[in-house]
Amino acid sequence: DAGITQSPRHKVTETGTPVTLRCHQTENHRYMYWYRQDPGHGLRLIHYSYGVKDTDKGEVSDGYSVSRSKTEDFLLTLESATSSQTSVYFCAIRPAAGPTDTQYFGPGTRLTVL
Amino acid sequence: EDQVTQSPEALRLQEGESSSLNCSYTVSGLRGLFWYRQDPGKGPEFLFTLYSAGEEKEKERLKATLTKKESFLHITAPKPEDSATYLCAVREGEGAQKLVFGQGTRLTINP
Repeated sequence: DAGITQSPRHKVTETGTPVTLRCHQTENHRYMYWYRQDPGHGLRLIHYSYGVKDTDKGEVSDGYSVSRSKTEDFLLTLESATSSQTSVYFCAIRPAAGPTDTQYFGPGTRLTVL
Repeated sequence: EDQVTQSPEALRLQEGESSSLNCSYTVSGLRGLFWYRQDPGKGPEFLFTLYSAGEEKEKERLKATLTKKESFLHITAPKPEDSATYLCAVREGEGAQKLVFGQGTRLTINP
């Protein structure tokens, strides 16, 4: 699991409430990513980070924000959750060593917005 | 726009029946093609990275190959434990961080 934990693993929330998902890594990797996975769409990049306080948008960033105040934690926030954000969210890291382009994924968070 | 298309969407085989999964792509400046395996309720598990046409990688019963337009994941004499969804992704361009994923092939191996 590449030393990645995600929390919570499951969450049910109501439309309009704020939600924060946490990705934690133990190996000091510089690059971290948030994806969502939906039937019929595959995995799509939401945001990514290339260092503390350095983040950028992916292809489906609307309605999401991220923060990275420490190397080990990358937070994904839904400011006001909508039913269209019901999905499975995966965090990934990219080690600087080894196959340098390879991303390794966490176990995922299943989010349901009612 | 970058496109990654996997076929078939689903494949059911008998144990020991070899086959291939296809991943075709259209990107400008391929910087890597990646294969992952995903079991239900889990995150994708990295299998292979291929960088240039003609390259091949093997792991147990799996062999990945790459041409200029597509990649194949060959499965030889599969076992039921090879049942999973197999995902293909491409990374394009210098400095690009984005992986573009296909929708996956759901493989079922019957005993």
